[in-house]
Amino acid sequence: DAKTTQPNSMESNEEEPVHLPCNHSTISGTDYIHWYRQLPSQGPEYVIHGLTSNVNNRMASLAIAEDRKSSTLILHRATLRDAAVYYCILRRSGGSNYKLTFGKGTLLTVNP
Amino acid sequence: NAGVMQNPRHLVRRRGQEARLRCSPMKGHSHVYWYRQLPEEGLKFMVYLQKENIIDESGMPKERFSAEFPKEGPSILRIQQVVRGDSAAYFCASSPSPGESYEQYFGPGTRLTVT
Repeated sequence: DAKTTQPNSMESNEEEPVHLPCNHSTISGTDYIHWYRQLPSQGPEYVIHGLTSNVNNRMASLAIAEDRKSSTLILHRATLRDAAVYYCILRRSGGSNYKLTFGKGTLLTVNP
Repeated sequence: NAGVMQNPRHLVRRRGQEARLRCSPMKGHSHVYWYRQLPEEGLKFMVYLQKENIIDESGMPKERFSAEFPKEGPSILRIQQVVRGDSAAYFCASSPSPGESYEQYFGPGTRLTVT
């Protein structure tokens, strides 16, 4: 399975944009890029996903490199509530793609 | 629309006792997944169930662990003769389908402590 690499931690100030990077140099053509986040003492929460094109939703934006070997989750204006561990996950089309493989993720700290 | 519900939220068991963890999926979801998160680690897939069927239990320890999702009622993860190493947070997730474009909705988890 293709692997993802994320920084262990990042820090941001409230109301500033945050760019969370993810490297996935061995991604295959049928892998979707998913992002989940886990707030303290809670279960993971879906954030966004994409395949090739950039994606926007009410929570965030996902920018995918042209060669798909990396992606960036963008929080446009961080709030204290966005402090969480963010996981970048690859999900292959078909087969056992129901298994989400969580790495250590990036711990985002948001300063007031 | 209520989200995924898990109970109990916290469970303390002594070594050798049984632990039963319950998960009620979101309304309309017939696919349930269990994950385990050991301290300071990421979540690890354990088992995937549909109503009355275990589809994939490749992530579940071969002994002492079992899971079910009956026709009526919640999904149950059962751990027999618990040991200290079973102490972890157990999360249940549900989805309408296992397809790659479907997100999984997670419950708040059950934190099991074995003393």
